Amino acid sequence: EAQVTQNPRYLITVTGKKLTVTCSQNMNHEYMSWYRQDPGLGLRQIYYSMNVEVTDKGDVPEGYKVSRKEKRNFPLILESPSPNQTSLYFCASSPRWGTGRMVIGQPQHFGDGTRLSIL
Amino acid sequence: LAKTTQPISMDSYEGQEVNITCSHNNIATNDYITWYQQFPSQGPRFIIQGYKTKVTNEVASLFIPADRKSSTLSLPRVSLSDTAVYYCLGYSGNTPLVFGKGTRLSVIA
Repeated sequence: EAQVTQNPRYLITVTGKKLTVTCSQNMNHEYMSWYRQDPGLGLRQIYYSMNVEVTDKGDVPEGYKVSRKEKRNFPLILESPSPNQTSLYFCASSPRWGTGRMVIGQPQHFGDGTRLSIL
Repeated sequence: LAKTTQPISMDSYEGQEVNITCSHNNIATNDYITWYQQFPSQGPRFIIQGYKTKVTNEVASLFIPADRKSSTLSLPRVSLSDTAVYYCLGYSGNTPLVFGKGTRLSVIA
């Protein structure tokens, strides 16, 4: 089954304790991305990756790190978590878009989310 | 990046057709209009995508006028299970997805 898998689904931790949220997709997608969702603010992009070893900042990258060493995995790293990073996090992936002058936006597939609580 | 504007919320009765309009004045030539649906505590799910005129699939229809400055998502005969948040995005694949706050649709029995 084609899917994006995030782990853990739920995590309660304390300020300053490094954590990693894993994301894996089995669809051979080039594009992967991380979002956080907070009440009243909608979905905001943290980081994205257009391919292996290519990552870029989204709208709210502060306090986060990512890596893309292989196509299927895109972990989100919080080196020193703080309470303002308490949120619902989503990973997403999509296939390579079209080539040439006319590119086509490919729909993104989202994971089921990771709810992080940082005390 | 295409900035979109949608109503914050809408209510509808079961069985009615619901139309959600999104304005995107600065849509880029290469942007496709893309709609996602999100249920509580779940990731967004792709519904429909189009470039211009009309697109229809088994879930919804999407109407895009010639000037492409707006689009309308049409959900025929909604049911309680259509209660969700709906997001409109302009997306070319060259730029990151930018989700706004979406439209919260509440379907009433």
